[in-house]
Amino acid sequence: KAGVTQTPRYLIKTRGQQVTLSCSPISGHRSVSWYQQTPGQGLQFLFEYFSETQRNKGNFPGRFSGRQFSNSRSEMNVSTLELGDSALYLCASSSRQPRSYEQYFGPGTRLTVT
Amino acid sequence: QQQVKQSPQSLIVQKGGISIINCAYENTAFDYFPWYQQFPGKGPALLIAIRPDVSEKKEGRFTISFNKSAKQFSLHIMDSQPGDSATYFCAASRADRGSTLGRLYFGRGTQLTVWP
Repeated sequence: KAGVTQTPRYLIKTRGQQVTLSCSPISGHRSVSWYQQTPGQGLQFLFEYFSETQRNKGNFPGRFSGRQFSNSRSEMNVSTLELGDSALYLCASSSRQPRSYEQYFGPGTRLTVT
Repeated sequence: QQQVKQSPQSLIVQKGGISIINCAYENTAFDYFPWYQQFPGKGPALLIAIRPDVSEKKEGRFTISFNKSAKQFSLHIMDSQPGDSATYFCAASRADRGSTLGRLYFGRGTQLTVWP
């Protein structure tokens, strides 16, 4: 079974621009969560989508948004980029089946804002 | 505030030795505790996880010890190998609460180096 895939793997953007990152979960998984990883703040939860609905949201400004499609693929968008948005953005998928709690991460998208 | 505290920040172990990483949490509602391993340039990989109804879980060379009363859990890597050199993260979540299933609270990570 293929793992979680994320595209693009690397991205360089300029302050003020916007960016869209994509995540394809493991086949059969219906939940997608997004995390931001930085050396200073570690791994921080952004949001989770399940059945095309945002189920939970972390403490990030409204510039960070996401969506999920009917095939469970998810995208996250960051508008008006700031230097501090430079990070590794990770997507994790889970089946959300009863008593199945595992979450599997993709390789991440490395975003650099200049 | 940091919901899960992890120590040490870095760890150096000789090949064949035991690596021990500790985590502590405050929220007694947490009921799922996974450990992740991350190599440079890669995403975190699920290593092993435990629910609070057991005090220990072993998978190969990796063991989680869980102390519910102390709100602590630890990862033991037996017979540590150079290939185990990576960053390890502990995490916690409220697995059975449907609306927050997707939210993992991570420790700050431990950089493990195993010398040959």
